[in-house]
Amino acid sequence: GAVVSQHPSRVICKSGTSVKIECRSLDFQATTMFWYRQFPKKSLMLMATSNEGSKATYEQGVEKDKFLINHASLTLSTLTVTSAHPEDSSFYICSAVRLAGGQDEQFFGPGTRLTVL
Amino acid sequence: GQNIDQPTEMTATEGAIVQINCTYQTSGFNGLFWYQQHAGEAPTFLSYNVLDGLEEKGRFSSFLSRSKGYSYLLLKELQMKDSASYLCAVIDSNYQLIWGAGTKLIIKP
Repeated sequence: GAVVSQHPSRVICKSGTSVKIECRSLDFQATTMFWYRQFPKKSLMLMATSNEGSKATYEQGVEKDKFLINHASLTLSTLTVTSAHPEDSSFYICSAVRLAGGQDEQFFGPGTRLTVL
Repeated sequence: GQNIDQPTEMTATEGAIVQINCTYQTSGFNGLFWYQQHAGEAPTFLSYNVLDGLEEKGRFSSFLSRSKGYSYLLLKELQMKDSASYLCAVIDSNYQLIWGAGTKLIIKP
């Protein structure tokens, strides 16, 4: 199956610093990638839709100035958590969409665990 | 390597019961999730198991056996709206999420 990677897998940072998380589709091109956030024992919360070559579309309630998304190429999207605070500590997951015979397939990354001290 | 296996597709009848199995081989274990995903939508959390046994939540139940690397999701009194993909995901010792490919469940009247 298709592979989506995330880097780093775990990151611990101090409050007030910025953290960049990369999402890569390793063996296919993805014009669309999604960024999710997961809270313990809760659903994945869709944060934003990242489209290659255009601005990301943010879900209601997600601060676009705090969570910067850049989809620079067909295989890479980045999420930057700016001025991180302890409440931003979470599991961030990306997914990439592959077009296959007219039907979209979504592949998930392994997630990035962010801990803000 | 790390691996999660679940059937690609299953078919069941409205009102019946279906069991979706998930077997995993991962480096460590910190919990197993089941998600439901309808086409074009974000996955919806169904259950989280970290200890052995059965957890029941309404029409849905999830079972875990860590020694066997095995889990199942049991859906009772199937409804047409239960037609969806069901994803099994395991958190390994590095807190990485390992996803299964998903099981497409088709409910027939």
